Amino acid sequence: QVQLQESGPGLVKPSQTLSLTCTVSGVSISTGSYYCGWTRQPAGTGLEWIGRLHTSVHSSGITSYNPSLKSRVTISVDTSKNEFSLKLTSVTAADTAVYYCSIYSSGWNSDYWGQGTLVTVSS
Amino acid sequence: QSALTQPASVSGSPGQSITISCTGTSSDIGGYIYVSWYQQHPGKAPKLMIYDVSNRPPGVSNRLSGSKSGNTASLTISGLQAEDEADYYCSSYTSSNTLVFGGGTKLTVL
Repeated sequence: QVQLQESGPGLVKPSQTLSLTCTVSGVSISTGSYYCGWTRQPAGTGLEWIGRLHTSVHSSGITSYNPSLKSRVTISVDTSKNEFSLKLTSVTAADTAVYYCSIYSSGWNSDYWGQGTLVTVSS
Repeated sequence: QSALTQPASVSGSPGQSITISCTGTSSDIGGYIYVSWYQQHPGKAPKLMIYDVSNRPPGVSNRLSGSKSGNTASLTISGLQAEDEADYYCSSYTSSNTLVFGGGTKLTVL
């Protein structure tokens, strides 16, 4: 059974860097051909795709990011820990949202999702 | 990239059928098969219901079906049940090698 769990600070100050980690169990993200990614959802609004990264040791580093966030976003993977991470720099109140991690087992469909973690940007 | 366009809300009575539309452009929906639909209940993570326009993952009810015509994709739910009440989001691959979501549609089962 594939499970994902987001972790990280729930409160980040404006202008600082938001850092989240997604721990994966039930599947090895390094041995399969997976993309791992992040999506966020501000309160009461819709889903916003952040980006994704390929986790295979043969294709590591292949990334795609939302153009509106690209200058501030980095997604990385630590295959030894079976986890991947999100860093979003220079945050503002507009970055306050529930952040979800997900795995794409094929194509552009997120088959597995974490439960989501609320990150609030406030001083 | 602009969000795909979905109606804010749709409703139907139990047993009826409803269709949710998702309109994009030739650079996203119209150009690729990578259209998906997600169901999201309040406080929960999205759940994949349809992928590649019309395919259902294992375990998803066959009351749900997806289709596409031109730049518009559609999700149809037949035999509405109370458990179908949720928010539904479409997504599509884009020519910029990115993903874009629709604004979401709230389905109310009357």
